[in-house]
Amino acid sequence: AQTVTQSQPEMSVQEAETVTLSCTYDTSESDYYLFWYKQPPSRQMILVIRQEAYKQQNATENRFSVNFQKAAKSFSLKISDSQLGDAAMYFCAYRIRTSGSARQLTFGSGTQLTVLP
Amino acid sequence: DVKVTQSSRYLVKRTGEKVFLECVQDMDHENMFWYRQDPGLGLRLIYFSYDVKMKEKGDIPEGYSVSREKKERFSLILESASTNQTSMYLCASSNSRYWAINEKLFFGSGTQLSVL
Repeated sequence: AQTVTQSQPEMSVQEAETVTLSCTYDTSESDYYLFWYKQPPSRQMILVIRQEAYKQQNATENRFSVNFQKAAKSFSLKISDSQLGDAAMYFCAYRIRTSGSARQLTFGSGTQLTVLP
Repeated sequence: DVKVTQSSRYLVKRTGEKVFLECVQDMDHENMFWYRQDPGLGLRLIYFSYDVKMKEKGDIPEGYSVSREKKERFSLILESASTNQTSMYLCASSNSRYWAINEKLFFGSGTQLSVL
């Protein structure tokens, strides 16, 4: 079974600084997708960024980027120039690529990010 | 934008009550999901549906059932609520049965259920 581990329950960052959230996963598959979702206080989950495992290039979305290390099964999220609106719970998620079944989306336990003014 | 609406933001029920959590999406999505969110455990899939009247068990279906009589509505049912079902419940939808990388889940704002 696939597992996703977020070892940092809480993180904090000063406004305008950079922070990195960690995620590791365990899988025997070689072809899969990885995601970071954000859940602000409104509780509405929002997709932040996604990565295809067969792509070596790290995904980037504006101030958000990932460091994908396939051999190490690591998928960290870097937030640059942190803003107050980045304060949220962040979830790492994994999904096998070849399966058509939606049940294969597995979430980590989350990291609560606080942005200090 | 896609809107996924959950009928209640907060709900308080008694042990043994039958509880209905309703979810409606307005973009004709095929897939709908119910997740449970608990501190330190993340999101866990309870049930999902990829078509009207179709349903599949997720990772933690025990104690729950679902109903999808219309494409836009997906209901989660707690037949006899228990205190260990106190949790945040999130509904989500997506528009393809077979996910591709550009598919994404659209979530509702959650229902915080307390069973006393």
